[in-house]
Amino acid sequence: EAQVTQNPRYLITVTGKKLTVTCSQNMNHEYMSWYRQDPGLGLRQIYYSMNVEVTDKGDVPEGYKVSRKEKRNFPLILESPSPNQTSLYFCASSLSSGSNEQYFGPGTRLTVT
Amino acid sequence: SQQGEEDPQALSIQEGENATMNCSYKTSINNLQWYRQNSGRGLVHLILIRSNEREKHSGRLRVTLDTSKKSSSLLITASRAADTASYFCATDTGRRALTFGSGTRLQVQP
Repeated sequence: EAQVTQNPRYLITVTGKKLTVTCSQNMNHEYMSWYRQDPGLGLRQIYYSMNVEVTDKGDVPEGYKVSRKEKRNFPLILESPSPNQTSLYFCASSLSSGSNEQYFGPGTRLTVT
Repeated sequence: SQQGEEDPQALSIQEGENATMNCSYKTSINNLQWYRQNSGRGLVHLILIRSNEREKHSGRLRVTLDTSKKSSSLLITASRAADTASYFCATDTGRRALTFGSGTRLQVQP
């Protein structure tokens, strides 16, 4: 089954404790991205990747890191999480670019206390 | 205001009625897409309409695009309780990423 998976689905952590949210897709998509969703603000893009070893900042990249060492994986790293990073996070992928239909993962609800 | 704003923010209708949601945007687009999100879950792509298209259908969905008014509408005909969800428009402006609006919450009462 074609899908985007994220782990963990729920995470409660404390300020400053490094964490990684994994994202994997099995559709051989070149383009992958991370969004955060906050009430009243819609989805905002954090980072995206056009292909392996090619990443770039989205609209709200501060406090986040990403890497794309393999085509299927695109982890999101929070080196020192803060409470303002409490949010619902989505990984998405598409065939070749951000213009195409996006396939979303199920989401990761992160709470930073 | 954002690129891609949906109107209304919330809509409540009875099963069987039609639901219309609107999206307005500010800059030129290559395409506009509509997505559905069930509560707390990932978004699901519904339909994509290109800037040179005026109308598109998919099942009970009908999307229109008016580039002169920079607006789009999503019509869901004969709505069902299972259509209860949030609906988002997303615009492709050539920025290598879609820009999403804040969504319309649709409640379909059985």
